[in-house]
Amino acid sequence: DGGITQSPKYLFRKEGQNVTLSCEQNLNHDAMYWYRQDPGQGLRLIYYSQIVNDFQKGDIAEGYSVSREKKESFPLTVTSAQKNPTAFYLCASSGIRSGANVLTFGAGSRLTVL
Amino acid sequence: AQKVTQAQTEISVVEKEDVTLDCVYETRDTTYYLFWYKQPPSGELVFLIRRNSFDEQNEISGRYSWNFQKSTSSFNFTITASQVVDSAVYFCALSEASYSGGGADGLTFGKGTHLIIQP
Repeated sequence: DGGITQSPKYLFRKEGQNVTLSCEQNLNHDAMYWYRQDPGQGLRLIYYSQIVNDFQKGDIAEGYSVSREKKESFPLTVTSAQKNPTAFYLCASSGIRSGANVLTFGAGSRLTVL
Repeated sequence: AQKVTQAQTEISVVEKEDVTLDCVYETRDTTYYLFWYKQPPSGELVFLIRRNSFDEQNEISGRYSWNFQKSTSSFNFTITASQVVDSAVYFCALSEASYSGGGADGLTFGKGTHLIIQP
């Protein structure tokens, strides 16, 4: 079945360490996204990519980095510059066509900074 | 700037009751799209519905129905005869149509409404 795979599901990090969250999709979608979810705050867009080797900052990109070397993959690195990284991270993908597209989401990765 | 407001943080009802989740949006665009997603305890968001700004017809899908009113900038979601399996966080979201035609610059989400259905 087609879908989005995020790993790891749970991750613990010490302060000052970088950590990379994996996101892989086999839906042949062109666009991919990273959202951050905090309790009571909804989802906020970190980065998105509409095409390989290109990506744009979302609303809260500071302290994060991404790459898009392959259509199927869009890893997110949470750097030590991110002051409050403990959160639930959701990856999504969509096709690209005129108008708005339905996003398909992965199961998420929960990052906890110790 | 676009904004989505879900004023109800948490709603608790007894099974079989009807429940309405409110969504109010702000946008400067005349062409836009509205969505509802469900997030069960597992965490993965599940798509429920997409509606474009030119289609104000209400929609019904089984026990779910949606009431879109441009005059009040609202896109409310009603569950009829609620069931325990409906317990989840529900998100309303907005996307403004991209002038590039790509329309792939993400969604703006509300903060969500936590719906609890008690047996």
